[in-house]
Amino acid sequence: QVHLVQSGAEVKKPGASVRVSCKASGYSFTSYDITWVRQATGQGLEWMGWMNPYSGNTGYAQKFQGRVTMTRDTSIGTAYMDLSSLRSDDTAVYYCAFSSAFYHDGFDIWGQGTMVTVSS
Amino acid sequence: DIQMTQFPSSLSASVGDRVTISCRASQSISSDLNWYQQKPGEAPKFLIYAASSLQIGVPSRFSGSGSGTDFTLTISSLQPEDFATYYCQQSHSTPVTFGPGTKVDFK
Repeated sequence: QVHLVQSGAEVKKPGASVRVSCKASGYSFTSYDITWVRQATGQGLEWMGWMNPYSGNTGYAQKFQGRVTMTRDTSIGTAYMDLSSLRSDDTAVYYCAFSSAFYHDGFDIWGQGTMVTVSS
Repeated sequence: DIQMTQFPSSLSASVGDRVTISCRASQSISSDLNWYQQKPGEAPKFLIYAASSLQIGVPSRFSGSGSGTDFTLTISSLQPEDFATYYCQQSHSTPVTFGPGTKVDFK
């Protein structure tokens, strides 16, 4: 069965960095782009960017350019999202997701989410 | 960036009601429109792709329509498990953008 399992909740101080991991299982990790989406409490979904696990190529939303880095370790089938210079408005649940079918581009596989709290 | 709007932002309905949610794109996105359902504390669930195609396993009471800039999600007969927030998402161009969501709750 296809799964994405994310790392646990984090509490960070403003100005710090956070790394969220997303471990894939049940499929070939390098076959599908991984997308990261975040959601502040009570708010909507915000696309942050994507990474191709095979090539390592990435594409980031302009809003996060310079602060976000998406990487992977293919030996353990894990994607990472690093966000630096954290602010209070980065407090959110962060999701990894991907589209698992050739016939659509919707995100049908999601991790369980990782809560990141930024507070002094 | 393509802006997505949804209306209403929330609605109250009863089991068995027909529910319609609208989504509008700031420019034409052809049929590059997906719909998701999200319940509190859960990740979004993928419902509909390409504006009108039902994802495998999604009940047939869900349907989607539209193209260009105007889209609709319809639930033909609301069930207790359908009370949730619904989001549209355009995949026409990067950055991918989502609508602000429509919350469906009990009347």
